[in-house]
Amino acid sequence: QSVLTQPPSVSGAPGQRVTISCAGSSSNIGAGYDVHWYQQLPGTAPKLLIYGNANRPSGVPDRFSGSKSGTSASLAISGLQAEDDADYYCQSYDSSLSVVFGGGTKLTVL
Amino acid sequence: EVQLVESGGGQVKPGGSLRVSCAASGFTFSNYRMNWVRQAPGKGLEWVSYISGSSSDIYYADSVKGRFTISRDNAKNSLYLQMNSLKAEDTAVYYCARGRDGYNGYAAYIYFDYWGQGTLVTVSS
Repeated sequence: QSVLTQPPSVSGAPGQRVTISCAGSSSNIGAGYDVHWYQQLPGTAPKLLIYGNANRPSGVPDRFSGSKSGTSASLAISGLQAEDDADYYCQSYDSSLSVVFGGGTKLTVL
Repeated sequence: EVQLVESGGGQVKPGGSLRVSCAASGFTFSNYRMNWVRQAPGKGLEWVSYISGSSSDIYYADSVKGRFTISRDNAKNSLYLQMNSLKAEDTAVYYCARGRDGYNGYAAYIYFDYWGQGTLVTVSS
């Protein structure tokens, strides 16, 4: 059972917009800790997608956006493309001095 | 170019030990907090441990505390994870990841901006 809760799967057609939620609690996201997002393509290592709730590293398309409110966060992907088919993970920090991840969400591009 | 290359994975019997390594290049290694993150087959990511640049701060996940030891050699640009008393549930790909940390005005933060390709550790009799 992951500390951060994500939906196991989401799907969308090419060109559509999808969102992936990440629910935490008052000891992690709600305590003010930033949320970060990673994309993991099949058979590869995770890649940083969003840091500090809403910031994109260089090279990440602006189709990807992040937001945070209260005890939860969201990743939005607009203009879905076939190469977005991957697993997505949210990550934050917990007052127990531990790094915490969500369980991951499998995005299927139909 | 930042590169992280893990090595040392393999198969080990329950109760056994193994040390995995991570060779870093392309950045000033001693300036960064380094981490181990693992992923069991078909499962999600689990943070294992981190170590500060000077090795003064070290933290472990509860699941490995007392069994795993993280260390680094800044002269060799290398990160290590010594794993003892291994259990079947330790079977995973172990990733080395560079940490970026700081304070956002309200709370501390840490995220992982570069990852290695991972090394597979299998604990099985």
